[in-house]
Amino acid sequence: QVQLQESGPGLVKPSETLSLNCTVSGTSISRDYWSWIRQPPGKGLEWIGYIYYRGTSKHNPSLKSRVTISVDTSKNQFSLRLTSVTAADTAIYYCARERIGYNWFDPWGQGTLVTVSS
Amino acid sequence: DIVLTQSPDSLAVSLGERATINCKSSQTVLYSSNNKNYLAWYQQKPGQPPKVLIYWASTRESGVPDRFSGSGSGTDFTLTITGLQAEDVAVYYCQQYYSTPRTFGQGTKVEIK
Repeated sequence: QVQLQESGPGLVKPSETLSLNCTVSGTSISRDYWSWIRQPPGKGLEWIGYIYYRGTSKHNPSLKSRVTISVDTSKNQFSLRLTSVTAADTAIYYCARERIGYNWFDPWGQGTLVTVSS
Repeated sequence: DIVLTQSPDSLAVSLGERATINCKSSQTVLYSSNNKNYLAWYQQKPGQPPKVLIYWASTRESGVPDRFSGSGSGTDFTLTITGLQAEDVAVYYCQQYYSTPRTFGQGTKVEIK
């Protein structure tokens, strides 16, 4: 079955760049949309953005221009970069699939907690 | 952006009773060309990622117990749990996939009374 797994540093300093990877197994990344979603501890869900394997991406305007989502088809992986982080970016970061034509999120990765602190 | 507002924020229901969660959208999520509502419901248990329960507002995901049902159209939607079980204690979110940015309701916490 399709599985997603996030990886990356669990601690990032303020003003630095958060970088995460999501490795996809059980299907090719060369189809569908691939999203990042985050959840501050004890709070709700916020969509960060998605990418299509050909490189088309969209992101949440609330994050302004701090977000970059990229894809590496050779590794069946996609990535998130979030620049100039602050404590407000502390959250569990999830990756998830959004199937074309069936655009709800399924499945999700287990999530990875990223803490922004000096 | 489409704003989804859930009500209530939390509710406590006795085992075997009905739980009803509402989700109101600031804009329609009904796509007129195919008459489908672009709305999903998720269940999130502590320490786990959300899991899709319902999509197209009323279609139950495979493997989801039939005590979960979704209804509504346009801007007003409901998730109903008929006969609450202990394992249904969770936070429930609605989410629209009609447009970007994708947005979620703020969540409704369901507990046992």
